[in-house]
Amino acid sequence: AQSVTQPDIHITVSEGASLELRCNYSYGATPYLFWYVQSPGQGLQLLLKYFSGDTLVQGIKGFEAEFKRSQSSFNLRKPSVPWSDAAEYFCAVGAQGTALIFGKGTTLSVSS
Amino acid sequence: GAGVSQSPSNKVTEKGKDVELRCDPISGHTALYWYRQSLGQGLEFLIYFQGNSAPDKSGLPSDRFSAERTGGSVSTLTIQRTQQEDSAVYLCASIQIRTGELFFGEGSRLTVL
Repeated sequence: AQSVTQPDIHITVSEGASLELRCNYSYGATPYLFWYVQSPGQGLQLLLKYFSGDTLVQGIKGFEAEFKRSQSSFNLRKPSVPWSDAAEYFCAVGAQGTALIFGKGTTLSVSS
Repeated sequence: GAGVSQSPSNKVTEKGKDVELRCDPISGHTALYWYRQSLGQGLEFLIYFQGNSAPDKSGLPSDRFSAERTGGSVSTLTIQRTQQEDSAVYLCASIQIRTGELFFGEGSRLTVL
């Protein structure tokens, strides 16, 4: 059965520092992969998605993610994190016509 | 409206009562999901509707939970004989098949006393 693991429950980075949030998945075929962000009191917003093609995906707000098939990973990265990026981040995996499964999320705190 | 609409936004009920949560997806979106979000549990998949296909109910936690989608549009999630552990935010999302992007509603916060 498909599953998504976000190993880090909570990460704290300094404002301006780089960020990498980990996501590992288990899926029978090449999956569709997504990262969503949920700011406090707000709904979920799509950051980026991977369906096929170039394994380095650019998203909104300066985020990027790299699909590594050999490692079953889709880690989210950003070179410099502002205070406003503090939120909860969710990785999700699915395929066309199937349920989209989310990880349990990583809470990002940004210290000044 | 332009987005996914959910009602009620907040529902407080007594243990043992039945509740219905409604989702009105974005017009033209043929697929619809229900998720449950509890503190520290992320988004728990409940049920998935895709067009006229049989729904994927594999995420429903018990037979007290059911959902239907009428006319390929509005969906209702029903929880019978609610329990305190049912307290959570119930999120509905519809999907734009062409892009694969889920659009989420604001959620219905359920509190079972």
